[in-house]
Amino acid sequence: EIVLTQSPATLSLSPGERATLSCRASQSVSSYLAWYQQKPGQAPRLLIYDASNRATGIPARFSGSGSGTDFTLTISSLEPEDFAVYYCQQRSNWPLYTFGQGTKLEIK
Amino acid sequence: EVQLVESGGGLVQPGGSLRLSCAASGFTFSSYWMSWVRQAPGKGLEWVANIKQDGSEKYYVDSVKGRFTISRDNAKNSLYLQMNSLRAEDTAVYYCARERIENLYDSSGYYLDYWGQGTLVTVSS
Repeated sequence: EIVLTQSPATLSLSPGERATLSCRASQSVSSYLAWYQQKPGQAPRLLIYDASNRATGIPARFSGSGSGTDFTLTISSLEPEDFAVYYCQQRSNWPLYTFGQGTKLEIK
Repeated sequence: EVQLVESGGGLVQPGGSLRLSCAASGFTFSSYWMSWVRQAPGKGLEWVANIKQDGSEKYYVDSVKGRFTISRDNAKNSLYLQMNSLRAEDTAVYYCARERIENLYDSSGYYLDYWGQGTLVTVSS
């Protein structure tokens, strides 16, 4: 089983700052990694797929990087609506999927 | 506009059964793998199961194997999750989600690009 570990668990930043979220896989997932954003009471939203590709309608301030076991989601300049929980997900052993435990991005 | 609407959640006793439904619209349902994902209260996301376009392949997370069954009816544009022998730890919001298609030549699923709003299942006596 591939385990995804996200860090930090909570990230406290101010609007306008740069956010860097990490996702580490227990074994290589190649570039088969996605990032999702979830706000309270809402369903998750796909942000990034295949490690670095933005999904339809996602602002350019969101970017993803990495391959193998180490991945990063970067938000270049935080907007008030970006404060949410972020999850990574791998599809290296599709049709099975696994998610990371999430990183909460909160307003400082 | 793609829409996924779940229904069928509710309160059930341990050991009981429940059937969730997901009504799809705004896309060619029969062309996509579909998934169920759950989220326990205050916890993270857990992928539960998925099903191939024609229903011929089904996959499950280990914790629900033998208890849950995923199915679909392409004529009705609907996805289902039959949940038996329910346990307290199955309490969660259950989401149905469409698996994204990468390109025209590969019908595999590539992540989850559309999600419903979820239906809450509570297992408690």
